[in-house]
Amino acid sequence: EIQLVESGGGLIQPGGSLRLSCAASGFTVSSDYMNWVRQAPGKGLEWISVIYSGGTSYYTDSVKGRFTISRDDSTNTLYLQMNSLRAEDTAVYHCARDPGVTNGMVDWGQGTTVTVSS
Amino acid sequence: IQLTQSPSSLSTSVGDRVTITCRASQGIDSSFAWYQQKPGKAPKLLIYGVSTLASGVPSRFSGSGSGTDFTLTISSLQPEDFATYYCQQLNIYPWTFGQGTRVEIK
Repeated sequence: EIQLVESGGGLIQPGGSLRLSCAASGFTVSSDYMNWVRQAPGKGLEWISVIYSGGTSYYTDSVKGRFTISRDDSTNTLYLQMNSLRAEDTAVYHCARDPGVTNGMVDWGQGTTVTVSS
Repeated sequence: IQLTQSPSSLSTSVGDRVTITCRASQGIDSSFAWYQQKPGKAPKLLIYGVSTLASGVPSRFSGSGSGTDFTLTISSLQPEDFATYYCQQLNIYPWTFGQGTRVEIK
């Protein structure tokens, strides 16, 4: 069974940093396309970033230069390093798996909540 | 690429046919998906590649379209279908979602 479990969220002051983790089981993160998607309170979905099996990554414009997606193949974990956090980064952050043959996010974690506030 | 869904919300009844449209600000290829999200839950992939049903998705759901105009149709709405639906393009970076369409019980 495929599982994605996010952790690392919390309350952080503007300008601070957080690292989110997504522990994967039932598949290998290095073999699939792994994404981060967020949802601000009461708002819609926002795609943030993808990392491909070869290591190439892409970001949405609002997080470029502040967020970094990465993975640890030895622990089968996806990460999102978030720096220079802003109030508008407050959201539930989901990791999501695209097996590559669908070109759509098949499996999702339940999310971890990030609140940026002083 | 901006994706604009219409309507933003709709009130409908069990058994009704529901159509949600998604218009892209520029033409995209078949890298297009639809998701369903229920309150407090993660999104669920319904359709990918414009019209291919994801595994386990009932056949009352269908997708169509090309270029800038895409459609999700639910042929006969069931009680478990009341939810918010999102379109997504995975053709041009940054990938984007539509703003969502909330389907409510009349």
